[in-house]
Amino acid sequence: AQTVTQSQPEMSVQEAETVTLSCTYDTSESNYYLFWYKQPPSRQMILVIRQEAYKQQNATENRFSVNFQKAAKSFSLKISDSQLGDTAMYFCAFMKRPFGNEKLTFGTGTRLTIIP
Amino acid sequence: DTAVSQTPKYLVTQMGNDKSIKCEQNLGHDTMYWYKQDSKKFLKIMFSYNNKELIINETVPNRFSPKSPDKAHLNLHINSLELGDSAVYFCASSTPSASGRVAQFFGPGTRLTVL
Repeated sequence: AQTVTQSQPEMSVQEAETVTLSCTYDTSESNYYLFWYKQPPSRQMILVIRQEAYKQQNATENRFSVNFQKAAKSFSLKISDSQLGDTAMYFCAFMKRPFGNEKLTFGTGTRLTIIP
Repeated sequence: DTAVSQTPKYLVTQMGNDKSIKCEQNLGHDTMYWYKQDSKKFLKIMFSYNNKELIINETVPNRFSPKSPDKAHLNLHINSLELGDSAVYFCASSTPSASGRVAQFFGPGTRLTVL
C-alpha cells in the first residue's frame, strides 16, 4: 500500500516571499503520478500541479513548481512570489496505475497562511 | 459551466435518518469517485465507478451504497446515519489515462452534519 507523508502541519510566510511545502511517499510502484491539490476556505479541491514519475523534468505551473526526487521519494511544492490567495490547505497525493481508474492517496495536508 | 456538481452542498439531519447526495459531471469522464474528508481534513477514498461498474470499495460500512445510473452520475445513499458520518463528502471524476494529462477533478463537496 502507498503512503503519503506531509510533515509540516502548518506554515506561514510573508506575502511575496517563496515557500516550500514538503511531501514524501512510499511505494513499490515504478510509474505513478503525484499531485498537489489546494483547498482554500471555500473547501473546493483545486488541482495545482501534477508530475508523472517517469518524467525527469520537474513540473511547473506559473508560480508553482515541484522538486521531484524519485530515488528519495520526495515531492516538494515551491510557491514563488506568494499571494494572499495562496492561503489554503495543500494536499500532496499519489496515484498508481491504471491511471484512469485508480484512487488518490492523500497526505494529511499543510495549512499555509500568507501574511500581508 | 460547472464540471463536477454535487447536491446538496449542506445537509443537516438527525441520527438514524436516510439521506442521499447526488453528483453529476459534464466532462465526459468514465470514472467517478466518492471521497470522505473527516474533521481533521484527512481525505480518503470510499468508492469508484467506471462506466457504471463498481471498481473500488474501500472498507466502507454497508450503510453506504453508491449508485451510478449512467457514467455522468454517481449518487451516494446513506442509511441509518450515525454521528460519525458527519464529514465533507467529495465527488470526483477522472480523465482517462490515454489523455496523457491524468487528473481528478472534484465537486464542491457536501458538508453532512448528523445531530
